[in-house]
Amino acid sequence: NAGVTQTPKFQVLKTGQSMTLQCAQDMNHEYMSWYRQDPGMGLRLIHYSVGAGITDQGEVPNGYNVSRSTTEDFPLRLLSAAPSQTSVYFCASRSGQGVYEQYFGPGTRLTVT
Amino acid sequence: AQRVTQPEKLLSVFKGAPVELKCNYSYSGSPELFWYVQYSRQRLQLLLRHISRESIKGFTADLNKGETSFHLKKPFAQEEDSAMYYCALGGYQGGKLIFGQGTELSVKP
Repeated sequence: NAGVTQTPKFQVLKTGQSMTLQCAQDMNHEYMSWYRQDPGMGLRLIHYSVGAGITDQGEVPNGYNVSRSTTEDFPLRLLSAAPSQTSVYFCASRSGQGVYEQYFGPGTRLTVT
Repeated sequence: AQRVTQPEKLLSVFKGAPVELKCNYSYSGSPELFWYVQYSRQRLQLLLRHISRESIKGFTADLNKGETSFHLKKPFAQEEDSAMYYCALGGYQGGKLIFGQGTELSVKP
């Protein structure tokens, strides 16, 4: 199993550009989440999904969109990039059964200039 | 409101010294608590979960509901323990986790 994969690893955007961060998991996990990691602020939840076709907002959803058309994929879209979205983005997934352990992807380091 | 607090941004100790990384939480329900570790430029990985009451890499953590704490301890720190440590609170619909701000542990030789 590859686990949770994310692409790209690094990205530089100009203000106003849009892009999609990709996330995929091959563990047949129902739950998937996107977090952003900023120094001194820990990880903050952007959006999450409890299954295909179902998404909801987390703590910091503004400026981001998600969709979940399949169990495996959970892309994160930046609609109009802003410097405040410079961060490291982590995707995570977990099984819908039992223990709440989440498995994380390797992260995408995004810089918006 | 649900919250996780890690009061120390940076904890610096010498090799062989005891380590305690503090974590306090606020949650009205039955908490599920975790410690995640992130080594330099790597993905987060689960270190401990309170429900397992296990020791991983010499680390232990006990849930104290009276003090609403879940401190991470190790009696003798090693240089390879240097990393970022996050305390996380779960137990929510949708598998959400609430993370603390993180504590950077630096173990000096």
